[in-house]
Amino acid sequence: ETGVTQTPRHLVMGMTNKKSLKCEQHLGHNAMYWYKQSAKKPLELMFVYSLEERVENNSVPSRFSPECPNSSHLFLHLHTLQPEDSALYLCASSQDSTGSPLHFGNGTRLTVT
Amino acid sequence: EDQVTQSPEALRLQEGESSSLNCSYTVSGLRGLFWYRQDPGKGPEFLFTLYSAGEEKEKERLKATLTKKESFLHITAPKPEDSATYLCAAGGNAGKSTFGDGTTLTVKP
Repeated sequence: ETGVTQTPRHLVMGMTNKKSLKCEQHLGHNAMYWYKQSAKKPLELMFVYSLEERVENNSVPSRFSPECPNSSHLFLHLHTLQPEDSALYLCASSQDSTGSPLHFGNGTRLTVT
Repeated sequence: EDQVTQSPEALRLQEGESSSLNCSYTVSGLRGLFWYRQDPGKGPEFLFTLYSAGEEKEKERLKATLTKKESFLHITAPKPEDSATYLCAAGGNAGKSTFGDGTTLTVKP
């Protein structure tokens, strides 16, 4: 399998639930990212990991918790979300975190009820 | 603060009708200007990277160009399968990419 794979593709959760999004990249890249994509808004960077170390956290609420156990896997743990957190969550990877192009997965469509 | 503005927001073309998409940017220390294509229900797909003013890249019916303030994505004789949202992103210091809102292109047969 090649590229960036995200699971699940769709997720519906209540405000009191805890869930996790998973991302796996098969490109041998050293950097991984979480982006949020909402309707009519540009892509918002949430977290960046380079060589498994978090290098950026864009003032994201603590109800979103990332985890990067190795350079191929990235998780986003979700708890006590709000309806406004409903969006498409995209994982991406790049060769390095200093300006290489991003390779995206197809995202997880999250709906918070 | 880094800023990227794309225009138009939406573009409708007839098959074969060439046009251009614009991406204006203000970035400290540009490390690369990126173009992506996004189809409904999918993640963005990387198209081009441009690094310096005057650079051009081509892929099939698409050609991307770069000046010191903006980039253009020229679409020559488009086909319906070129319909998608095209995203522009500017990579600045520390490698962070700032994205524009995108241009949604519809090509009618």
